[in-house]
Amino acid sequence: GESVGLHLPTLSVQEGDNSIINCAYSNSASDYFIWYKQESGKGPQFIIDIRSNMDKRQGQRVTVLLNKTVKHLSLQIAATQPGDSAVYFCAESGYSSASKIIFGSGTRLSIRP
Amino acid sequence: GAVVSQHPSWVICKSGTSVKIECRSLDFQATTMFWYRQFPKQSLMLMATSNEGSKATYEQGVEKDKFLINHASLTLSTLTVTSAHPEDSSFYICRAASGSLNEQFFGPGTRLTVL
Repeated sequence: GESVGLHLPTLSVQEGDNSIINCAYSNSASDYFIWYKQESGKGPQFIIDIRSNMDKRQGQRVTVLLNKTVKHLSLQIAATQPGDSAVYFCAESGYSSASKIIFGSGTRLSIRP
Repeated sequence: GAVVSQHPSWVICKSGTSVKIECRSLDFQATTMFWYRQFPKQSLMLMATSNEGSKATYEQGVEKDKFLINHASLTLSTLTVTSAHPEDSSFYICRAASGSLNEQFFGPGTRLTVL
């Protein structure tokens, strides 16, 4: 069936280094992708999104890359900080607020001092 | 910015009792609300989608008679876990959406523990 998944379940990064979190999706018809950050005991927090007609989008310290050829999505966090420690989920949706958002399995990012 | 609240934030109940969880959109009208369940160290799994004034649409494998969803107003949706059992212990999260992509937010979640 269609799914959104992740390559790495955990990622440990030195503080100040860049983090790259990867995600694979299987539904070639997906047209909207979102990255969420979830801290322990809290709801998911929107980080950045990208439509399928784009291959890169940048935010503050974060960049999302989309490779439709290999159905791959990545989240890059520049100069990782202790506050970036969380679980990160990629998600797939239609381009409508009424569309379902389907989550991938998540990657836990831990920061080494 | 827009805020979605959930109440209670956590609840402990005895097996066999029913628990109601509220989801409110505080500064926008949510025409659609979604309910998710998240078990420890797992992803969020969509349970159901509800549109204001309509019956909820449940995902495959989710018992509609066990998880009652009401979306009676544009700012409030409720999820009632009926005859709760320990396996229903989970983190329940709602998402509220209006007609705009800029107005879709997740609630802070409700931790349910069934003894």
